[in-house]
Amino acid sequence: DGGITQSPKYLFRKEGQNVTLSCEQNLNHDAMYWYRQDPGQGLRLIYYSQIVNDFQKGDIAEGYSVSREKKESFPLTVTSAQKNPTAFYLCASIHPGGYGYTFGSGTRLTVV
Amino acid sequence: AQSVTQPDIHITVSEGASLELRCNYSYGATPYLFWYVQSPGQGLQLLLKYFSGDTLVQGIKGFEAEFKRSQSSFNLRKPSVHWSDAAEYFCAVELARGSTLGRLYFGRGTQLTVWP
Repeated sequence: DGGITQSPKYLFRKEGQNVTLSCEQNLNHDAMYWYRQDPGQGLRLIYYSQIVNDFQKGDIAEGYSVSREKKESFPLTVTSAQKNPTAFYLCASIHPGGYGYTFGSGTRLTVV
Repeated sequence: AQSVTQPDIHITVSEGASLELRCNYSYGATPYLFWYVQSPGQGLQLLLKYFSGDTLVQGIKGFEAEFKRSQSSFNLRKPSVHWSDAAEYFCAVELARGSTLGRLYFGRGTQLTVWP
């Protein structure tokens, strides 16, 4: 079945460490998105990519980086510059034109 | 500013009661409209969507939503709530044109609690 796979489900980061969250899709969607979710704040867009080898900053890109070398993959790196990284991270892909996102099951990142 | 508003942060209903979750948007043209549901620790699942045409749309799990252009609203309804409907619900819009085609803008969510 087609879908989006996020890994790992839980991730622990030490202070000053970079970590990478994986997002893979087999839906043949061009566009992919990363969101951060905090309690009571809804979903905030970090980065998005509408095509391979191209990506754009979202509303809260500081302290994060991405790459899009393959259509299927859109990994997110949380760098040491992100001062408050503890959150639930969601990856999504879309077929533009009103079809809506397909979401992964999320990665919960905790700073220890 | 363009926005999606869910005015109710938390709603509590009894099992078997009817439900209405409110959503308003402020965009110039009619966007594509969506409702998603999220169980704790999970991703979001699409409940239903509106493109055009009939303003009453049916979704999964017995949910429906009505688009009212004059009120810029897209409220979600269910005639009889089940305990398994307890979750967080998000309204979202996609602008129908422009460079951000495909991007969804989300409301802050409404947490639904169901009493037995």
